[in-house]
Amino acid sequence: GQNIDQPTEMTATEGAIVQINCTYQTSGFNGLFWYQQHAGEAPTFLSYNVLDGLEEKGRFSSFLSRSKGYSYLLLKELQMKDSASYLCAVNYWSGGFKTIFGAGTRLFVKA
Amino acid sequence: DGGITQSPKYLFRKEGQNVTLSCEQNLNHDAMYWYRQDPGQGLRLIYYSQIVNDFQKGDIAEGYSVSREKKESFPLTVTSAQKNPTAFYLCASSVRDGYTFGSGTRLTVV
Repeated sequence: GQNIDQPTEMTATEGAIVQINCTYQTSGFNGLFWYQQHAGEAPTFLSYNVLDGLEEKGRFSSFLSRSKGYSYLLLKELQMKDSASYLCAVNYWSGGFKTIFGAGTRLFVKA
Repeated sequence: DGGITQSPKYLFRKEGQNVTLSCEQNLNHDAMYWYRQDPGQGLRLIYYSQIVNDFQKGDIAEGYSVSREKKESFPLTVTSAQKNPTAFYLCASSVRDGYTFGSGTRLTVV
């Protein structure tokens, strides 16, 4: 079956770098998303990786290794506003395109 | 600005009542989705629709119903058959490279 694992919670210090890992087991892999979700709000799109390697977008970077079923989201120069949940989601083909979401990683940024 | 509007933001339901959650989009997306979010779990798909007048059950459709009479609208009804409806409900629309989510409706059974 399809499955995604990511850590439940992480804590980091303002100004630091944090890496949030995501491992997945899917067949028909078509791409991996990262979303940011502040408490009680809608998830917002951060990145979409289809090919192996690192995609950089400002303070946020996302890495994908399809052979290892592994991705990470790297947040640099952490700010207090980065305190949120980070959702890993995998798009796959199974009689149509479908998406499975991980439970999310709650990141706490402390001063 | 284009986006997805969900209403209401908070909804309280008595036992045995049906309630309808509204979702409207002006992004001209064909595909729309309803997800349920519970603490400690990933988003779970309730229903989705790829085109007007057609919709499909997701992983947890029991106790829910939807309609798609217009491209812009995809309302979700939580029926009395749904035994544990208290949750955060998210509506989304998509093109191939990602979802746009509404701001969510928090439903509580009282």
